[in-house]
Amino acid sequence: QQQVKQSPQSLIVQKGGISIINCAYENTAFDYFPWYQQFPGKGPALLIAIRPDVSEKKEGRFTISFNKSAKQFSLHIMDSQPGDSATYFCAASTGSARQLTFGSGTQLTVLP
Amino acid sequence: GAVVSQHPSWVICKSGTSVKIECRSLDFQATTMFWYRQFPKQSLMLMATSNEGSKATYEQGVEKDKFLINHASLTLSTLTVTSAHPEDSSFYICSARILAPGQGVLRAFFGQGTRLTVV
Repeated sequence: QQQVKQSPQSLIVQKGGISIINCAYENTAFDYFPWYQQFPGKGPALLIAIRPDVSEKKEGRFTISFNKSAKQFSLHIMDSQPGDSATYFCAASTGSARQLTFGSGTQLTVLP
Repeated sequence: GAVVSQHPSWVICKSGTSVKIECRSLDFQATTMFWYRQFPKQSLMLMATSNEGSKATYEQGVEKDKFLINHASLTLSTLTVTSAHPEDSSFYICSARILAPGQGVLRAFFGQGTRLTVV
């Protein structure tokens, strides 16, 4: 019940295209859903996060779509750039918990 | 924003020796820090939760005598890999969560990670 399932494992997108990464969860107690970006040899960095009281959140080229009834959330990267090439992790936690549950990660490659 | 600094960023050690990794919260106090291990092309695996002034809580399967965690102050947690062996080679990452102002959630900040290679 603590798992967060992420897909796809890897994704190749042309420059300017849309990258979409999906995550699904089981634990209905989760109420905080962040996405992290990780470059090789670096720690993860928070990209964008959403709480279940909204269905969408947009920050620049990054958008989270959240479907509470389906227990799914996704990251959309618009106008993908080669500099976006990285590994992306979704995560979830309860607001009061200090521990994050991570998805398995998606390696995104944006071709120039 | 809040910064978590991890040191060293990489270390090579001989098999059988011990290695200490430091994790500092630079502009906030962290009563709780987390230590993760990450293998190539895999997700972050939580190893233990470090609590200031008390014993760390280890995840199932993590040897507490091998991975010693000390959280002696509100800004510093250390992970010591004792009697390191090649199979301990991995990327180790620390994290701290603080309450994001006005958001009512605990936001996680991660260190830069430490690449440990045991030869």
